[in-house]
Amino acid sequence: EVQLVESGGGLVQPGGSLTLSCAASGFTFSNYWMTWVRQAPGKGLEWVANIKKDGSEKYYVDSVKGRFTISRDNAKNSMYLQMNSLRTEDTAVYYCARDSVFGVEYFQHWGQGSLVIVSS
Amino acid sequence: AIQLTQSPSSLSASVGDRVTITCRASQGINSALAWYQQRPGKGPKLLIYDASSLESGVPSRFVGSGFGTVFTLTIGSLQPEDLATYYCQQFKSFPAPTFGGGTKVEIK
Repeated sequence: EVQLVESGGGLVQPGGSLTLSCAASGFTFSNYWMTWVRQAPGKGLEWVANIKKDGSEKYYVDSVKGRFTISRDNAKNSMYLQMNSLRTEDTAVYYCARDSVFGVEYFQHWGQGSLVIVSS
Repeated sequence: AIQLTQSPSSLSASVGDRVTITCRASQGINSALAWYQQRPGKGPKLLIYDASSLESGVPSRFVGSGFGTVFTLTIGSLQPEDLATYYCQQFKSFPAPTFGGGTKVEIK
């Protein structure tokens, strides 16, 4: 059974930093692109970043470029999102998602989410 | 960027009703569209991919159709457990997918 478990969320002040983790199991992690998607309170879904199977390509939504860094450790079946210079508008539930076997297409599996609150 | 517009933004229907949600793309995306169900307090769940392919384990009452710029998700006979918000997502624009604004389905 595919499982994605996010951790690392919490309350942080504006300008602060936080690192989210996504632990994967039930599939060959190194065979899939992985993605972070976020959802602000009461709002819709927003793609944040994705990373290629071997970590050689990384892409970000414009609003987080230069502040967030996506990474992965295939030996540990884990993906990460380092978030710096956090803003109040980054407050959201952050979901880890596994892409389809064909690459950056649809998201076949999702985690339960990790809540990040940016507030003073 | 390719924008997706869903309609309606919310609806209320009775158990057994047929429900249709529409997703319009700002430019042609062929069949590069997926539909997700998000129940309250949960992560999204894939229902349909490639516009009309049913994900394994998803009830057959969920039907996707469309091509190009107009797509629909139809729930053939609404069930109580279908209470959720439904999102479309396009994957034509590599590497940045986009989502529609969501349609909240309530049960009368």
